[in-house]
Amino acid sequence: AQTVTQSQPEMSVQEAETVTLSCTYDTSESDYYLFWYKQPPSRQMILVIRQEAYKQQNATENRFSVNFQKAAKSFSLKISDSQLGDAAMYFCASRLTQGGSEKLVFGKGTKLTVNP
Amino acid sequence: DAGVTQSPTHLIKTRGQQVTLRCSPKSGHDTVSWYQQALGQGPQFIFQYYEEEERQRGNFPDRFSGHQFPNYSSELNVNALLLGDSALYLCASSLGGCGRCGDEQYFGPGTRLTVT
Repeated sequence: AQTVTQSQPEMSVQEAETVTLSCTYDTSESDYYLFWYKQPPSRQMILVIRQEAYKQQNATENRFSVNFQKAAKSFSLKISDSQLGDAAMYFCASRLTQGGSEKLVFGKGTKLTVNP
Repeated sequence: DAGVTQSPTHLIKTRGQQVTLRCSPKSGHDTVSWYQQALGQGPQFIFQYYEEEERQRGNFPDRFSGHQFPNYSSELNVNALLLGDSALYLCASSLGGCGRCGDEQYFGPGTRLTVT
């Protein structure tokens, strides 16, 4: 069974600074995807970044990057130059790659506050 | 290009009643997944529909049922509502049958269901 754990219920960061959100996961499969989703107060879940487990290179999307440690089953999100608009709930999620199994398994989320 | 749409936005029902939630997928997507997000929690997978059939199901009772229409839109039905069914119900669409395509699930804004 897949499980995703986010151990930080809340985090805060000063505007323009860097923050790292933690995520650990567990799966018996060797091939899977990992995601970070952002959910602002508007409730719409928005994909921030995606990592394919078979790729060793860490994914980067503008100010967002991940530190993917496959052996440790760790997948942290780093937000650089934090902006007020980054304030939201952040969810880590995993998905297997086998066809017909696209279920996302989410962690409980981390609430990020950005202080001006 | 319209994204994923859901209706209604909010809904208030009484215990024991039945409810139907609706979802239209993003243009070009043929797979619809439903998630339940309780307050302060991450989304939990209910089930997924592909080619008008339930392809995968999470750990939810039979009171939760669904349907997918030929135009790929979908309905989620919940019978005999319980107070614990109060949650945000999220619909996500994707291109099915291709686990390694990496196509992420696009989420709708959700339907907030309150059971009194």
